[in-house]
Amino acid sequence: GAVVSQHPSWVICKSGTSVKIECRSLDFQATTMFWYRQFPKQSLMLMATSNEGSKATYEQGVEKDKFLINHASLTLSTLTVTSAHPEDSSFYICSATPGQGSSPLHFGNGTRLTVT
Amino acid sequence: GQNIDQPTEMTATEGAIVQINCTYQTSGFNGLFWYQQHAGEAPTFLSYNVLDGLEEKGRFSSFLSRSKGYSYLLLKELQMKDSASYLCAVRDSNYQLIWGAGTKLIIKP
Repeated sequence: GAVVSQHPSWVICKSGTSVKIECRSLDFQATTMFWYRQFPKQSLMLMATSNEGSKATYEQGVEKDKFLINHASLTLSTLTVTSAHPEDSSFYICSATPGQGSSPLHFGNGTRLTVT
Repeated sequence: GQNIDQPTEMTATEGAIVQINCTYQTSGFNGLFWYQQHAGEAPTFLSYNVLDGLEEKGRFSSFLSRSKGYSYLLLKELQMKDSASYLCAVRDSNYQLIWGAGTKLIIKP
Protein backbone atom coordinates (compact mmCIF):
# COMPACT_ATOMS: atom_id res chain seq x y z
CA GLY A 1 0.00 0.00 0.00
CA ALA A 2 0.82 3.72 0.06
CA VAL A 3 2.03 4.06 -3.52
CA VAL A 4 2.95 7.42 -4.98
CA SER A 5 3.21 7.73 -8.74
CA GLN A 6 5.15 10.52 -10.40
CA HIS A 7 5.21 11.37 -14.09
CA PRO A 8 7.23 11.87 -16.20
CA SER A 9 10.35 10.03 -15.03
CA TRP A 10 12.57 12.24 -17.08
CA VAL A 11 12.14 15.21 -19.36
CA ILE A 12 14.40 17.30 -21.53
CA CYS A 13 13.19 20.76 -22.48
CA LYS A 14 14.53 23.90 -24.04
CA SER A 15 15.32 26.97 -22.05
CA GLY A 16 12.30 29.24 -21.70
CA THR A 17 9.67 26.51 -21.92
CA SER A 18 7.50 25.17 -19.10
CA VAL A 19 7.34 21.65 -17.75
CA LYS A 20 4.56 20.06 -15.70
CA ILE A 21 5.22 17.19 -13.31
CA GLU A 22 2.36 15.15 -11.87
CA CYS A 23 2.26 13.39 -8.53
CA ARG A 24 -0.52 10.97 -7.65
CA SER A 25 -1.28 8.98 -4.52
CA LEU A 26 -2.66 5.76 -5.94
CA ASP A 27 -4.18 4.00 -2.97
CA PHE A 28 -4.66 6.67 -0.33
CA GLN A 29 -5.85 10.22 -0.04
CA ALA A 30 -3.23 12.85 0.61
CA THR A 31 -4.35 16.17 2.00
CA THR A 32 -0.75 17.22 1.92
CA MET A 33 1.96 16.44 -0.59
CA PHE A 34 5.54 17.61 -0.56
CA TRP A 35 7.82 18.63 -3.41
CA TYR A 36 11.56 18.17 -3.08
CA ARG A 37 14.50 19.00 -5.29
CA GLN A 38 17.80 17.22 -5.18
CA PHE A 39 20.99 18.27 -6.92
CA PRO A 40 23.70 15.68 -7.59
CA LYS A 41 25.40 14.40 -4.45
CA GLN A 42 23.30 16.66 -2.26
CA SER A 43 20.49 15.97 0.17
CA LEU A 44 16.80 16.45 -0.41
CA MET A 45 15.67 20.05 -0.28
CA LEU A 46 12.04 20.76 0.50
CA MET A 47 10.65 23.21 -2.02
CA ALA A 48 7.03 23.47 -0.97
CA THR A 49 4.17 21.85 0.83
CA SER A 50 1.14 21.32 -1.35
CA ASN A 51 -2.22 21.55 0.38
CA GLU A 52 -5.39 20.25 -1.25
CA GLY A 53 -7.79 23.05 -2.01
CA SER A 54 -5.51 25.86 -0.89
CA LYS A 55 -2.31 27.61 -1.80
CA ALA A 56 0.99 25.85 -1.45
CA THR A 57 3.44 26.83 1.26
CA TYR A 58 6.84 27.59 -0.21
CA GLU A 59 10.17 27.32 1.55
CA GLN A 60 12.38 30.34 1.82
CA GLY A 61 14.25 31.03 -1.38
CA VAL A 62 11.85 29.12 -3.64
CA GLU A 63 10.14 31.33 -6.19
CA LYS A 64 6.41 30.68 -6.11
CA ASP A 65 5.89 32.29 -9.51
CA LYS A 66 8.44 30.03 -11.08
CA PHE A 67 7.42 26.78 -9.43
CA LEU A 68 3.64 26.65 -9.68
CA ILE A 69 1.96 24.06 -7.53
CA ASN A 70 -1.63 22.96 -7.88
CA HIS A 71 -3.27 20.43 -5.58
CA ALA A 72 -6.63 20.02 -7.25
CA SER A 73 -7.72 16.82 -5.55
CA LEU A 74 -6.85 14.54 -2.66
CA THR A 75 -4.83 12.33 -4.98
CA LEU A 76 -3.15 14.72 -7.39
CA SER A 77 -0.63 17.52 -7.10
CA THR A 78 1.24 19.12 -9.99
CA LEU A 79 4.44 21.12 -10.12
CA THR A 80 4.99 23.35 -13.14
CA VAL A 81 8.45 24.72 -13.72
CA THR A 82 7.81 27.89 -15.72
CA SER A 83 10.31 29.49 -18.08
CA ALA A 84 12.85 26.83 -17.26
CA HIS A 85 16.56 27.61 -17.32
CA PRO A 86 19.57 25.29 -17.27
CA GLU A 87 20.06 25.96 -13.55
CA ASP A 88 16.64 24.41 -12.95
CA SER A 89 17.99 21.07 -14.13
CA SER A 90 17.62 18.78 -11.16
CA PHE A 91 15.89 15.73 -9.74
CA TYR A 92 12.40 16.65 -8.55
CA ILE A 93 10.66 14.27 -6.15
CA CYS A 94 7.17 14.39 -4.72
CA SER A 95 6.05 12.64 -1.59
CA ALA A 96 2.92 12.10 0.45
CA THR A 97 1.81 10.40 3.61
CA PRO A 98 -1.51 8.81 4.49
CA GLY A 99 -1.40 10.50 7.89
CA GLN A 100 0.76 11.70 10.74
CA GLY A 101 2.19 9.74 13.62
CA SER A 102 4.21 6.78 12.45
CA SER A 103 3.20 7.16 8.83
CA PRO A 104 6.34 7.64 6.79
CA LEU A 105 6.61 9.75 3.69
CA HIS A 106 6.24 7.73 0.53
CA PHE A 107 8.06 9.04 -2.47
CA GLY A 108 7.31 9.08 -6.13
CA ASN A 109 10.07 7.80 -8.40
CA GLY A 110 11.23 11.30 -9.15
CA THR A 111 11.54 13.33 -12.34
CA ARG A 112 14.93 14.07 -13.84
CA LEU A 113 14.63 17.48 -15.54
CA THR A 114 17.29 18.60 -17.99
CA VAL A 115 16.99 22.08 -19.45
CA THR A 116 19.12 22.73 -22.52
CA GLY B 1 18.41 26.02 14.60
CA GLN B 2 17.57 22.48 13.71
CA ASN B 3 20.35 20.16 12.71
CA ILE B 4 20.92 16.55 11.80
CA ASP B 5 24.42 15.12 11.51
CA GLN B 6 25.48 11.91 9.86
CA PRO B 7 28.78 10.87 8.32
CA THR B 8 29.22 11.81 4.69
CA GLU B 9 30.59 8.49 3.53
CA MET B 10 31.38 5.04 4.88
CA THR B 11 33.00 1.97 3.38
CA ALA B 12 32.35 -1.62 4.40
CA THR B 13 33.00 -5.12 3.12
CA GLU B 14 30.44 -7.49 1.67
CA GLY B 15 29.14 -9.85 4.36
CA ALA B 16 30.18 -7.56 7.19
CA ILE B 17 28.18 -5.30 9.54
CA VAL B 18 28.08 -1.51 9.40
CA GLN B 19 26.55 1.06 11.75
CA ILE B 20 25.52 4.47 10.44
CA ASN B 21 25.07 7.07 13.16
CA CYS B 22 22.75 10.06 13.23
CA THR B 23 22.62 12.81 15.85
CA TYR B 24 19.96 15.48 15.90
CA GLN B 25 18.97 18.75 17.53
CA THR B 26 15.41 19.67 16.66
CA SER B 27 12.48 21.66 17.98
CA GLY B 28 10.60 18.80 19.52
CA PHE B 29 10.54 15.21 18.42
CA ASN B 30 7.83 13.13 16.79
CA GLY B 31 9.77 10.26 15.39
CA LEU B 32 12.90 9.43 13.43
CA PHE B 33 12.99 7.82 10.01
CA TRP B 34 15.66 6.08 7.99
CA TYR B 35 15.48 6.01 4.20
CA GLN B 36 17.60 4.30 1.58
CA GLN B 37 18.33 6.09 -1.67
CA HIS B 38 20.09 4.48 -4.60
CA ALA B 39 21.80 6.82 -7.04
CA GLY B 40 19.30 8.44 -9.38
CA GLU B 41 16.30 7.03 -7.56
CA ALA B 42 13.84 8.33 -4.98
CA PRO B 43 14.25 7.43 -1.31
CA THR B 44 12.54 4.33 0.05
CA PHE B 45 11.40 3.94 3.63
CA LEU B 46 13.45 1.63 5.87
CA SER B 47 12.48 2.20 9.49
CA TYR B 48 10.75 4.36 12.06
CA ASN B 49 11.61 4.91 15.74
CA VAL B 50 9.65 7.01 18.18
CA LEU B 51 10.45 5.24 21.46
CA ASP B 52 13.89 4.44 22.81
CA GLY B 53 15.31 1.11 21.84
CA LEU B 54 16.01 -1.13 18.94
CA GLU B 55 13.69 -1.90 16.03
CA GLU B 56 14.70 -4.92 13.97
CA LYS B 57 13.62 -5.62 10.42
CA GLY B 58 15.48 -8.46 8.81
CA ARG B 59 19.06 -7.45 8.07
CA PHE B 60 18.36 -3.86 9.08
CA SER B 61 17.94 -2.55 12.63
CA SER B 62 17.49 0.98 13.90
CA PHE B 63 18.17 2.27 17.39
CA LEU B 64 17.01 5.43 19.12
CA SER B 65 18.03 7.28 22.28
CA ARG B 66 15.89 10.39 22.66
CA SER B 67 17.80 11.67 25.70
CA LYS B 68 21.01 11.65 23.66
CA GLY B 69 19.45 12.84 20.42
CA TYR B 70 21.02 9.83 18.76
CA SER B 71 20.08 7.05 16.39
CA TYR B 72 21.90 4.47 14.37
CA LEU B 73 21.05 2.20 11.48
CA LEU B 74 22.69 -1.21 11.62
CA LEU B 75 23.07 -3.24 8.46
CA LYS B 76 24.09 -6.88 8.77
CA GLU B 77 25.31 -9.40 6.20
CA LEU B 78 26.05 -6.61 3.79
CA GLN B 79 25.30 -7.19 0.13
CA MET B 80 26.56 -5.26 -2.86
CA LYS B 81 23.03 -3.97 -3.46
CA ASP B 82 23.19 -2.18 -0.10
CA SER B 83 25.51 0.36 -1.69
CA ALA B 84 23.38 3.49 -1.47
CA SER B 85 22.88 6.68 0.50
CA TYR B 86 21.12 6.38 3.84
CA LEU B 87 19.10 9.36 4.98
CA CYS B 88 18.16 10.13 8.56
CA ALA B 89 15.10 12.35 9.05
CA VAL B 90 13.44 13.66 12.20
CA ARG B 91 9.87 14.86 12.52
CA ASP B 92 9.78 17.92 14.74
CA SER B 93 7.04 19.31 16.97
CA ASN B 94 5.30 20.84 13.94
CA TYR B 95 5.43 17.50 12.14
CA GLN B 96 7.94 18.92 9.70
CA LEU B 97 10.55 16.47 8.46
CA ILE B 98 14.12 17.63 8.97
CA TRP B 99 16.56 15.76 6.73
CA GLY B 100 20.17 14.84 7.24
CA ALA B 101 22.51 15.17 4.28
CA GLY B 102 22.76 11.40 3.94
CA THR B 103 25.54 8.87 4.33
CA LYS B 104 26.93 7.31 1.19
CA LEU B 105 27.70 3.66 1.92
CA ILE B 106 30.19 1.94 -0.34
CA ILE B 107 30.33 -1.86 -0.21
CA LYS B 108 33.49 -3.57 -1.39
CA PRO B 109 33.74 -7.24 -2.35
